[in-house]
Amino acid sequence: DTAVSQTPKYLVTQMGNDKSIKCEQNLGHDTMYWYKQDSKKFLKIMFSYNNKELIINETVPNRFSPKSPDKAHLNLHINSLELGDSAVYFCASSPLGGASYEQYFGPGTRLTVT
Amino acid sequence: QKEVEQNSGPLSVPEGAIASLNCTYSDRGSQSFFWYRQYSGKSPELIMFIYSNGDKEDGRFTAQLNKASQYVSLLIRDSQPSDSATYLCAVRVYNQGGKLIFGQGTELSVKP
Repeated sequence: DTAVSQTPKYLVTQMGNDKSIKCEQNLGHDTMYWYKQDSKKFLKIMFSYNNKELIINETVPNRFSPKSPDKAHLNLHINSLELGDSAVYFCASSPLGGASYEQYFGPGTRLTVT
Repeated sequence: QKEVEQNSGPLSVPEGAIASLNCTYSDRGSQSFFWYRQYSGKSPELIMFIYSNGDKEDGRFTAQLNKASQYVSLLIRDSQPSDSATYLCAVRVYNQGGKLIFGQGTELSVKP
């Protein structure tokens, strides 16, 4: 029983293409996140949704557009892919409330733009 | 100044020793502090979180928090080769929607 799942696991594409990454969680959490981890392993928040509402939108190019059809799903669509978009993208989820805000991460999607 | 700073390492310790991982943060509004472990090619896995000053122990792991010094650490006792991984410190700042701000991670290598 996978708690947070992402598809695809690997994505290789050419510059200029548009691609999507899907994320689903079965933990019943209210909040979901997208993080980007670069080649130096630095993990940085991109977006967060709470009950389908966007609550965090970091300084990310508007080529990146998250979509949350329901609170269990958060997808990431990327337009006009660039070489610099190559990274590992992690989806995460957390329950609402409490000081801990433990976040549980999906397995990641390794995006390679050529 | 980076918001969350860690020594990138690698930190090398012999098997059975205590590994000490350190993290400093800049925002005094930081509320909760997390340690994640990430094996190569895998996703971050939560080890511990702490939000009160002092120590918190869980098995071989102890998290220490000193808000006055803006410092959080993770001690791993009786280190095992399976503990070899990158350890990520993360901070949650009050009233920022629950986002975590991560340090760059410390690579730990436990030698048999």
